[in-house]
Amino acid sequence: NAGVTQTPKFQVLKTGQSMTLQCAQDMNHEYMSWYRQDPGMGLRLIHYSVGAGITDQGEVPNGYNVSRSTTEDFPLRLLSAAPSQTSVYFCASRAEVWGNQPQHFGDGTRLSIL
Amino acid sequence: DQQVKQNSPSLSVQEGRISILNCDYTNSMFDYFLWYKKYPAEGPTFLISISSIKDKNEDGRFTVFLNKSAKHLSLHIVPSQPGDSAVYFCAASAVVNVGYGKLTFGQGTILTVHP
Repeated sequence: NAGVTQTPKFQVLKTGQSMTLQCAQDMNHEYMSWYRQDPGMGLRLIHYSVGAGITDQGEVPNGYNVSRSTTEDFPLRLLSAAPSQTSVYFCASRAEVWGNQPQHFGDGTRLSIL
Repeated sequence: DQQVKQNSPSLSVQEGRISILNCDYTNSMFDYFLWYKKYPAEGPTFLISISSIKDKNEDGRFTVFLNKSAKHLSLHIVPSQPGDSAVYFCAASAVVNVGYGKLTFGQGTILTVHP
């Protein structure tokens, strides 16, 4: 029972490089989201999706793109990496769009931009 | 503007004693609150939640209290165990936030339970 799987676990990029962080869930969850965690700031929402083909912006969307072509996958793209995007990125999912079920998080991708 | 605040960056407790973690919020629209626990190199794991229609929710050793008038919630762990040592995040949401999908997190509190 894999849950939410994120790859890679670690990545180092140079400024200006592009990268896709992968997220997959095997629970047939409707709702998926991406957060970033920075020291002293908790987790902040980047983008979210309420189903295949539907995405929207969260609190800190600038510099990131997402797409959701299938229920299972929700990749996060950095088109031109900047040092300010150095962070730990968490993908999460929950069963339904509406209702107060908790979200399940992956183990994160630690990204460093030089 | 931090809408959810955990003002204690760290807390140290002796095994067997009570741990009390605190969280304050400013947005009156929040009506659903959660606590997540996070170990190093792992993702946050859901611990316990509470709806604004309640003032207390209990699950084993974990109890969450909500004081809506003070916009304050707390997590009590009794008795504390060394395995409880982790970072604890408070999170809040509202039904208007995509049906509670969008969470606003506090900064986290590092709990250390000494044997």
